[in-house]
Amino acid sequence: DIQMTQSPSFLSASVGDRVTITCRASLGISDYLAWYQQKPGKIPRVLIYSASTLQSGVPSRFSGSGSGTDFTLTISGLQPEDVGTYYCQRYNLAPLIFGGGTKVEIK
Amino acid sequence: QVQLVQSGSEVKKAGSSVKVSCKASVDTFATSAINWVRLAPGQGLEWMGATIPLFGATDYPRMFFGRVTISADTSSSTSYMELSSLRSEDTAVYYCAAAKFVKISADMGGGFFYYYIDVWGTGTTVTVSS
Repeated sequence: DIQMTQSPSFLSASVGDRVTITCRASLGISDYLAWYQQKPGKIPRVLIYSASTLQSGVPSRFSGSGSGTDFTLTISGLQPEDVGTYYCQRYNLAPLIFGGGTKVEIK
Repeated sequence: QVQLVQSGSEVKKAGSSVKVSCKASVDTFATSAINWVRLAPGQGLEWMGATIPLFGATDYPRMFFGRVTISADTSSSTSYMELSSLRSEDTAVYYCAAAKFVKISADMGGGFFYYYIDVWGTGTTVTVSS
């Protein structure tokens, strides 16, 4: 099975900082990658799909890039409401593997 | 507003089984793959498998094969996830989640193309005690 490796697993940044999370697939997955946010005590929600397409209603400070094996989620100007855990997920074919997650906190 | 309504919290003994339900709208059930995902304390999201009710199909990852059974009752638009031989590590919040899909023709290899998950259920807490 394809493995999805996220880094870092934890990051602490200041409000307004530019934050970058990476996700690496063990095999090429084209652009079949989604990013999800899960705030504490809440259900997950999709932020980005097709590696770089912003889901409707998601703030424009979130952006995604990459194709093949290497992907990036960027938050341009971290806000207090962005605290939570972020996951990448390869879709298209089963198994739909999630990355290990990146917990984001405010410094 | 698409909704997935799950059954209530469960407390189970190690070695027993648990069955969680997820009720969807008729439209969602007919057009979606219903995935099951769990979040254990201190761990990340884990995909447990999916069912495509329209075709009566299921997919499971290797690590859950033989221990999890995902089913769908089209008459009530309800999916079920049953996990057997419970152990303490199965203590988690279990989510059902809907994703669109496309059936892949047999001459292209068969199976299903899954899209990203765009609707999540309310979550069901399962606690396994020894």
